Amino acid sequence: EDKVVQSPLSLVVHEGDTVTLNCSYEVTNFRSLLWYKQEKKAPTFLFMLTSSGIEKKSGRLSSILDKKELFSILNITATQTGDSAIYLCAVVSGGGADGLTFGKGTHLIIQP
Amino acid sequence: NAGVMQNPRHLVRRRGQEARLRCSPMKGHSHVYWYRQLPEEGLKFMVYLQKENIIDESGMPKERFSAEFPKEGPSILRIQQVVRGDSAAYFCASSPLFRFGSDHRGYTFGSGTRLTVV
Repeated sequence: EDKVVQSPLSLVVHEGDTVTLNCSYEVTNFRSLLWYKQEKKAPTFLFMLTSSGIEKKSGRLSSILDKKELFSILNITATQTGDSAIYLCAVVSGGGADGLTFGKGTHLIIQP
Repeated sequence: NAGVMQNPRHLVRRRGQEARLRCSPMKGHSHVYWYRQLPEEGLKFMVYLQKENIIDESGMPKERFSAEFPKEGPSILRIQQVVRGDSAAYFCASSPLFRFGSDHRGYTFGSGTRLTVV
């Protein structure tokens, strides 16, 4: 059974801090890994990672994948209160169900 | 482009009643996925449908749950004889791509239906 584990499950930091969120996976026939941000409603897409070692960047957010060690990290620099959300990691694999396999998420709270 | 539309946003049902959740995919998307999010849990895949076809229902509970995506109209997730454990947020996602499409950036979620069983 495909498995995605995120850590930490929750994190509280102050505005301006840098955070690193972790996602490790064990899946059959890995295809890609995705990061989503979930506030009160729909998860919104952040990054899709397919190749090892290539950093994806969008403003203060960046992410990288290590296919040898089977993990990804999501970095957020100079955090703002608007970054408070649940960050979800999901994996697309060739085995098992057609949908995405999600981790439980990291609940990030940015205090002013 | 209205995005993926789910309704109702909130649904309260008494134990034993039926719940019907609706999902209209994004325009041009013909693939629909349903997920369930229990409190403190990640999103769990339930079912993948194309128009008039269930492609993968490996995540659906064996009893009381069913899904359809008719030729016309929204996709429906139906839960019969609801129990308290069915209380969760149910999300729908749609995609324009065939299964295992290489670009999941096109995979778009709706805002979910929060089902509460009392």
